[in-house]
Amino acid sequence: GEDVEQSLFLSVREGDSSVINCTYTDSSSTYLYWYKQEPGAGLQLLTYIFSNMDMKQDQRLTVLLNKKDKHLSLRIADTQTGDSAIYFCAVLLYGQNFVFGPGTRLSVLP
Amino acid sequence: DGGITQSPKYLFRKEGQNVTLSCEQNLNHDAMYWYRQDPGQGLRLIYYSQIVNDFQKGDIAEGYSVSREKKESFPLTVTSAQKNPTAFYLCASSTLQQETQYFGPGTRLLVL
Repeated sequence: GEDVEQSLFLSVREGDSSVINCTYTDSSSTYLYWYKQEPGAGLQLLTYIFSNMDMKQDQRLTVLLNKKDKHLSLRIADTQTGDSAIYFCAVLLYGQNFVFGPGTRLSVLP
Repeated sequence: DGGITQSPKYLFRKEGQNVTLSCEQNLNHDAMYWYRQDPGQGLRLIYYSQIVNDFQKGDIAEGYSVSREKKESFPLTVTSAQKNPTAFYLCASSTLQQETQYFGPGTRLLVL
């Protein structure tokens, strides 16, 4: 089945850019997502990209998709302390259900 | 306000007891899902339903049961057969086309 991998931790300084990476194994993905989870809360959909796109930008967020390498990244510009959270990558395969990565815990240092 | 609600926020289970977690949505979504989240792991799918009165097992259905009597509601019962129920449970919903999946705030289940 599909396997989605992320590094578990990332620390950045306030004001720097954060880049969270995700790799997946199944090339038949249709949509790819980034969710944010704050402590004790549900998952908040940040952005998603259709598999025929290379890039999507939404204010401080930039999503890059490299289909050849099966690599998805989320760049957060000007990272703030309020961005500290767990970020989940998720992949939707055609005709199947969502598969989530283990989440990357982003810590923003003052 | 459209959205997904889950209750209670915290739930305590005694040994041998069945407990039911509530999930309600007013987004008019056909599909609903239950996930279990453990620390350091991604979400694992317990059950999902794409239509009223029908549901399918996910990856970790053993020890859980669901019902889907109404489009808006998808309660999850954690039975006494589930030996390690302590986790954070998340409910989600989507349209049948599944472009996006929206999540509720979660229920944390603890065993006494």
